[in-house]
Amino acid sequence: EDQVTQSPEALRLQEGESSSLNCSYTVSGLRGLFWYRQDPGKGPEFLFTLYSAGEEKEKERLKATLTKKESFLHITAPKPEDSATYLCAVQAWDSNYQLIWGAGTKLIIKP
Amino acid sequence: EAGVAQSPRYKIIEKRQSVAFWCNPISGHATLYWYQQILGQGPKLLIQFQNNGVVDDSQLPKDRFSAERLKGVDSTLKIQPAKLEDSAVYLCASSLVDSGWTGYGETQYFGPGTRLLVL
Repeated sequence: EDQVTQSPEALRLQEGESSSLNCSYTVSGLRGLFWYRQDPGKGPEFLFTLYSAGEEKEKERLKATLTKKESFLHITAPKPEDSATYLCAVQAWDSNYQLIWGAGTKLIIKP
Repeated sequence: EAGVAQSPRYKIIEKRQSVAFWCNPISGHATLYWYQQILGQGPKLLIQFQNNGVVDDSQLPKDRFSAERLKGVDSTLKIQPAKLEDSAVYLCASSLVDSGWTGYGETQYFGPGTRLLVL
């Protein structure tokens, strides 16, 4: 069964304190792994898509990496505005493009 | 480029009442999704349309939920009658992918959601 697990559930960091969020997945055949950011009261905002092991993508203070079993979202020198819930989802080749979602990691950056 | 539009943004109803949500996807996007998101969880797919046909509605509680996508553009999701456990955020998303797509994963873009509270 396709499954996505995110850890930790919540993470509190001081401003400037770098860390990583984890997304472990099992899927029959990975078509794509997606990272989204969700602010309170808003819909998920697309960040990255990763397609194959070894791939990396960066955007400002965020860097996403992918292995055959997990993905990491690295946050370098975070700022309070990076506080949000980060959602990970996978899409399988036999899925009609549907996404299997993790429960998210709630990130809080304290000034 | 305009994003996915949803209305209303908030709705409060009594149980057993009916409610409808509206979604306008990104122009040119063939596939439209409705999700239900409960606080602290990832989105749960309710129904997926490709153009104006249903691809998957296996998780839609059909005794009370219905959805349509007329002319392959706008969509409405209706709940009748509502239950307390329907309190959630209802998200609409769209993607470019159509029946001819055979490539890698296609990104879904989300609207702001409708927050429903059933009392």
